[in-house]
Amino acid sequence: DGGITQSPKYLFRKEGQNVTLSCEQNLNHDAMYWYRQDPGQGLRLIYYSQIVNDFQKGDIAEGYSVSREKKESFPLTVTSAQKNPTAFYLCASSINTGGEEKLFFGSGTQLSVL
Amino acid sequence: EDQVTQSPEALRLQEGESSSLNCSYTVSGLRGLFWYRQDPGKGPEFLFTLYSAGEEKEKERLKATLTKKESFLHITAPKPEDSATYLCAVQAWRGGGNKLTFGTGTQLKVEL
Repeated sequence: DGGITQSPKYLFRKEGQNVTLSCEQNLNHDAMYWYRQDPGQGLRLIYYSQIVNDFQKGDIAEGYSVSREKKESFPLTVTSAQKNPTAFYLCASSINTGGEEKLFFGSGTQLSVL
Repeated sequence: EDQVTQSPEALRLQEGESSSLNCSYTVSGLRGLFWYRQDPGKGPEFLFTLYSAGEEKEKERLKATLTKKESFLHITAPKPEDSATYLCAVQAWRGGGNKLTFGTGTQLKVEL
């Protein structure tokens, strides 16, 4: 069964703590993305990666870090520098088939601050 | 800066009562306009991509249309299972990957 798997579903962060959100895909997609979703706001791009060992900052990268050591994996670390981390985090991957662009999302991780 | 505005913010329909959701956009060179459906606590589910003015796409009770300034998602004879938040996003022709700019969504509730 192909898809994007995010874990954990729920995550709690203590003050000053770094936490890592997992994202794995078995769709063989080259590009992967991290978005943040807050109530009443549109999804905002944190980081994206078009190829292994390369990634770029999105619109709200401050306080976050990523790595892309394998095609299948794109973990996101929320560092202690991110002062307002409570949000729903969505990982996505994309493919262009027959000229049509499609972005597929995982089921999300809800991060809350203790 | 790319902008996407969706209206209404929330919509309540009776089962079978057709309606339309609006997505107005400004972008410097539209590469694609995307519609997604999102259920509470889940990731968005891809519905359609539209590329040029005049294009239309259909899937079951949903039909998406595109003009140079806006897109409509028409829902014909909706059922309770169509209740969800519908998201619109645009992608511009510029370097830097497949970045999408999202609207805040329309929350649709279909009642019996």
